[in-house]
Amino acid sequence: AQSVTQPDIHITVSEGASLELRCNYSYGATPYLFWYVQSPGQGLQLLLKYFSGDTLVQGIKGFEAEFKRSQSSFNLRKPSVHWSDAAEYFCAVGVRNTGFQKLVFGTGTRLLVSP
Amino acid sequence: GAVVSQHPSWVICKSGTSVKIECRSLDFQATTMFWYRQFPKQSLMLMATSNEGSKATYEQGVEKDKFLINHASLTLSTLTVTSAHPEDSSFYICSARDRGDRRIRQETQYFGPGTRLLVL
Repeated sequence: AQSVTQPDIHITVSEGASLELRCNYSYGATPYLFWYVQSPGQGLQLLLKYFSGDTLVQGIKGFEAEFKRSQSSFNLRKPSVHWSDAAEYFCAVGVRNTGFQKLVFGTGTRLLVSP
Repeated sequence: GAVVSQHPSWVICKSGTSVKIECRSLDFQATTMFWYRQFPKQSLMLMATSNEGSKATYEQGVEKDKFLINHASLTLSTLTVTSAHPEDSSFYICSARDRGDRRIRQETQYFGPGTRLLVL
C-alpha cells in the first residue's frame, strides 16, 4: 500500500539557520511527490512538486526538495529559515487512479522557529 | 491563479442538524474535487472524490449517507454533513483539480482554506 512517512513530528530551528524536513514514501510505481505547507487554521499551499526530470526541485518561498529514488526520499530544505516559515509541513505522494490522482499525505512536521 | 474558496470558514451547530459546506474553484474549472478531513494535529484523510455530473467516490469507512457530496457544476462542490454529531467536529478541506490540466500524471490539487465544524 502507498504510504508517506514523516519521521519528525516537530522540529525547532533558529531563525537564519538551515532546515531539512524528512519524507520517505512507499509506492510501487514512479512517484509523484509534493510538499505542502499549512499555517494554523488554514488550508494547504503547494510549495513544490516532483514529477520527473531533475531530481532537485525548486519551489516557492526559497524551498527546495531532492528526490532520491534509492532512498525513497523527498526531503525538503531551506538554507535560511525565516520566522514566517513556522507552520505545518506535509509531504504527499500522488497515487494514480482511474482518471485522476489521489494524494496520500504524511502525518506532517510542525516547524517552530526560535529567535 | 488556481484559487479555491470554501464557505463557511467555520460553523457551529447543534447535534442532529445538517451542515452544508461549499467548495468553489474561482479561476478555473474543476471536473474533480476532493474532500478531506483533518483532526487536530493530524494529517489529512481523503473522504471522497467528487466528479462533476456523477456520483462521488467514497473512501473506505466513510459513510455515504452521512456525508453527502454534490458536484453540480465545474466550479462548485458541496459537502453536507447530515444529522451531525459531536464526533463529526473536525476541519474539512476541499481541493480541486484543474480541468485544463490534461496530464493526469502531472496534475496538481489546489486546496481551499478549510471549514472548521463544531457540533455541540
